[in-house]
Amino acid sequence: QKEVEQNSGPLSVPEGAIASLNCTYSDRGSQSFFWYRQYSGKSPELIMFIYSNGDKEDGRFTAQLNKASQYVSLLIRDSQPSDSATYLCAVNTGFQKLVFGTGTRLLVSP
Amino acid sequence: DADVTQTPRNRITKTGKRIMLECSQTKGHDRMYWYRQDPGLGLRLIYYSFDVKDINKGEISDGYSVSRQAQAKFSLSLESAIPNQTALYFCATSDRGRGLQETQYFGPGTRLLVL
Repeated sequence: QKEVEQNSGPLSVPEGAIASLNCTYSDRGSQSFFWYRQYSGKSPELIMFIYSNGDKEDGRFTAQLNKASQYVSLLIRDSQPSDSATYLCAVNTGFQKLVFGTGTRLLVSP
Repeated sequence: DADVTQTPRNRITKTGKRIMLECSQTKGHDRMYWYRQDPGLGLRLIYYSFDVKDINKGEISDGYSVSRQAQAKFSLSLESAIPNQTALYFCATSDRGRGLQETQYFGPGTRLLVL
């Protein structure tokens, strides 16, 4: 079992819709969780992090964490074509290293 | 100016050649990392350094070596390049003092092609 799993997609949503991206992790000791956005050929850029159960909102983005279910998600409200990218979930397992999922490709159509 | 820079941005080399990829940062972070990214495989950690005297192997260190010349500089070397080292390479930095909020910030990447 991979340590961090994401559906590779593509996830296709129309402009203005809510995009829901999911990530599961295997290490119950994982402490903090990060979402990065990566445009093709570019470097990953941080969207947000979360380390407490529940929801954390930042603008159009909401991260949700459920440690009991070992599940973290990212919701993007009012999706825009410029949100089309690959979204990487990363997990800090407590050894100060991040383990990355392989990413979910999001396509937002006008 | 970018906080994390990588040189070169693109490199084509031949099998058996030794090459060095360089990373510099002005963020004042103590921790630095080298990753490679391949289609479908995501980001994989090659080496990481928590300070100048602390260097550790990641999950795919074979065929690579690193040097932490200063807090701000971390270089990755391929001693004898082979075609399956063709990939996109990223350097990243993080600040130990951030605790659970410790976040890695990535450089722009180096696209390496080994013929």
